Amino acid sequence: DTGVSQDPRHKITKRGQNVTFRCDPISEHNRLYWYRQTLGQGPEFLTYFQNEAQLEKSRLLSDRFSAERPKGSFSTLEIQRTEQGDSAMYLCASSAGLAQTQYFGPGTRLLVL
Amino acid sequence: AQSVTQLDSHVSVSEGTPVLLRCNYSSSYSPSLFWYVQHPNKGLQLLLKYTSAATLVKGINGFEAEFKKSETSFHLTKPSAHMSDAAEYFCVVSDRDGANNLFFGTGTRLTVIP
Repeated sequence: DTGVSQDPRHKITKRGQNVTFRCDPISEHNRLYWYRQTLGQGPEFLTYFQNEAQLEKSRLLSDRFSAERPKGSFSTLEIQRTEQGDSAMYLCASSAGLAQTQYFGPGTRLLVL
Repeated sequence: AQSVTQLDSHVSVSEGTPVLLRCNYSSSYSPSLFWYVQHPNKGLQLLLKYTSAATLVKGINGFEAEFKKSETSFHLTKPSAHMSDAAEYFCVVSDRDGANNLFFGTGTRLTVIP
């Protein structure tokens, strides 16, 4: 399967813990996006990368959220000091460039107890 | 700012009957519009996209949508529903700046009755 992959698929954590999610985009896709989807809502854009450069991060939900894409391939999204309100599905997408179709991964479902 | 409004949170149709999922958009420029489908425990899949070419867009699995600028609408249709069409459908508008971010509607859950 050469689609977008995300790991883990599910994560349960206790409030206050840090969590990190990984996204592997489609090979050769230079753009990578992170979204959050809460129950009953559509996905909400968080941040995106072009190659290793993070070009938009103003929509990250708080300074507890950070993302990296160190070599321009896979990306990680970290949430520090998790809160119950962080419980959601975190989606990753990649595209071959500006205005190209975004292909989504299956998501990581986070539950904060 | 760009946004989309999906007019129905839930649509229920009988198998073999037509499907209509409604979407209105708001944009300060000529937008790119999409429909994505989300099946349970699966990733979002692109059904079709409009990018200022033909106003009637054909997608996968027999779906199509028509861009109507005068009505600011981009409704999704299918002539005959199949059981496998049961899913959540999202109408999406794209940013036109360098980010090309997607703005999703709140979704319409389609139920297909046998």
